[in-house]
Amino acid sequence: GAVVSQHPSWVICKSGTSVKIECRSLDFQATTMFWYRQFPKQSLMLMATSNEGSKATYEQGVEKDKFLINHASLTLSTLTVTSAHPEDSSFYICSATPWREGRGVYFGPGTRLTVT
Amino acid sequence: AQKVTQAQTEISVVEKEDVTLDCVYETRDTTYYLFWYKQPPSGELVFLIRRNSFDEQNEISGRYSWNFQKSTSSFNFTITASQVVDSAVYFCALFANAGGTSYGKLTFGQGTILTVHP
Repeated sequence: GAVVSQHPSWVICKSGTSVKIECRSLDFQATTMFWYRQFPKQSLMLMATSNEGSKATYEQGVEKDKFLINHASLTLSTLTVTSAHPEDSSFYICSATPWREGRGVYFGPGTRLTVT
Repeated sequence: AQKVTQAQTEISVVEKEDVTLDCVYETRDTTYYLFWYKQPPSGELVFLIRRNSFDEQNEISGRYSWNFQKSTSSFNFTITASQVVDSAVYFCALFANAGGTSYGKLTFGQGTILTVHP
């Protein structure tokens, strides 16, 4: 089946630093990748939709300058949390699909970010 | 706009009981996909089922079954003879076109925490 990887699986960083999270589709080309954020005991909130070769589309309320998304190739998207603060601590999950219409959406294992 | 509502925040049952998780969705699109995912404590989402909007056939997979009714915009999930290992958070999700753009997006419901007691 389709596999999506995320790296790192967990990261601890100091307040003020930037953290980059990678999302890769290992055995398919992802036309679209999605980035989600999940706080404890809450649902997955869509942060942005990333299409290869074009700018990411951010959901309302998500700071573009804080959460930089780059979808440089059909198999790689990156999320950079810039100048991280403790409130950015969360579980970040990416997903990818090779289709536009959502026939199949595949999820990465998630990255747990802790900002101290 | 698209929306998914899971009315049950938490459900607690005793092993071997049947349990149904409700999901109601909203979308203006005629073509869309509905999903159910399981999220165990590890956090990694486990895909359970996908159903497209043109296929209203109910589906059974072992102890799991799904009832899709377009007339009521519902896609409910039933676990028969629940087991302790079924304890997890379950999410219903909708993939639809994001208001006419070329690419759609996947929207999640709030999730239902299922606890199965021995």
